[in-house]
Amino acid sequence: AQRVTQPEKLLSVFKGAPVELKCNYSYSGSPELFWYVQYSRQRLQLLLRHISRESIKGFTADLNKGETSFHLKKPFAQEEDSAMYYCALRGRDSNYQLIWGAGTKLIIKP
Amino acid sequence: DTGVSQDPRHKITKRGQNVTFRCDPISEHNRLYWYRQTLGQGPEFLTYFQNEAQLEKSRLLSDRFSAERPKGSFSTLEIQRTEQGDSAMYLCASSSQKTGVNEQFFGPGTRLTVL
Repeated sequence: AQRVTQPEKLLSVFKGAPVELKCNYSYSGSPELFWYVQYSRQRLQLLLRHISRESIKGFTADLNKGETSFHLKKPFAQEEDSAMYYCALRGRDSNYQLIWGAGTKLIIKP
Repeated sequence: DTGVSQDPRHKITKRGQNVTFRCDPISEHNRLYWYRQTLGQGPEFLTYFQNEAQLEKSRLLSDRFSAERPKGSFSTLEIQRTEQGDSAMYLCASSSQKTGVNEQFFGPGTRLTVL
């Protein structure tokens, strides 16, 4: 079964501390993984995709096929990073539907 | 605003009533998706259109739910005989096949409350 698991509902760290938001997936094939972010009172928006291997707003995520993980990391958290973060998967044989994790609320304390 | 728009933003209805939501995608986007999101959960896929064709429909979508995209532009999602369990945020997203990026752009959502 296709599934995305975000084990932490809430993560609270101090400003300047490293952040790691965990995402594990279950998929029998080669998926495409995404991180979406939702800031307070804003709509969901794409943060980054594993295919592009880019760093956005200081965040990076590496697809680890052995561990079936796609953790989101940032070395130094900033207060503006506070938001809901969702990990999502798209199977390459699907019609582009996304399967989502339940989300992690990240709070950056001053 | 050239982003995805949804109407209404909030809807309160009584159990058993029918409701219809509208989604206007980004104009050049040919793909359109509907998702449902309940409290504490991520979005849950409901259905997908490529142009006017409904190509995929979740098994979670009961026969009380129907979606259309008659001219390949805006889409409507209708829920008949609403139940309290239908209370949720209904999200619409669109993407472009041309870019090959498959980034889905989301609307602000319609929050449905069934009393």
